[in-house]
Amino acid sequence: KNEVEQSPQNLTAQEGEFITINCSYSVGISALHWLQQHPGGGIVSLFMLSSGKKKHGRLIATINIQEKHSSLHITASHPRDSAVYICAVKGSGGGADGLTFGKGTHLIIQP
Amino acid sequence: NAGVTQTPKFRVLKTGQSMTLLCAQDMNHEYMYWYRQDPGMGLRLIHYSVGEGTTAKGEVPDGYNVSRLKKQNFLLGLESAAPSQTSVYFCASSRHRDRAYSNQPQHFGDGTRLSIL
Repeated sequence: KNEVEQSPQNLTAQEGEFITINCSYSVGISALHWLQQHPGGGIVSLFMLSSGKKKHGRLIATINIQEKHSSLHITASHPRDSAVYICAVKGSGGGADGLTFGKGTHLIIQP
Repeated sequence: NAGVTQTPKFRVLKTGQSMTLLCAQDMNHEYMYWYRQDPGMGLRLIHYSVGEGTTAKGEVPDGYNVSRLKKQNFLLGLESAAPSQTSVYFCASSRHRDRAYSNQPQHFGDGTRLSIL
């Protein structure tokens, strides 16, 4: 079973700061997902990647398959970015079984 | 755009009662999933389905049953609720893997907050 570790668990930063959230996993994967969960609970998929780098607005996700590591970056952070960010991986076995999730990083951006 | 809809949003049960959580998706997705989210833990897979009439066990299936009689609906049942099943339940759906895409993003519902007293 894949183990997914995120760091930090909690992060408080000032508006405008550059944010980095890290995710490490233990065995081979076919894809890695970054998800966002706002207070009130809804979960939104931000990125799905299996190699390299993806960018959407102020969000950037990178993955290093050899090192089994991914990072989520937020540039010019804003209070509306405050949320729990969740890393999840899909195993390389090819089945339809679901994702394995990290415990999440609770991000607070203060104005 | 409805996406994935879960009902109910909140429910309080007494130990031993039964109930069914409904998940409905309007994206014609083949795959559907039920997860539970508990404090201090990542989401964990309860059951999943790869198509109408098929279901499979996930990581934490005990105490739950599921059914997928229609492609758009995935039901999660608790036959005899226990306090350990107090949790937030999320349903998700995704397209079938095909040659063009090795993986598909999962679309989540807003969750059902269930308390068992």
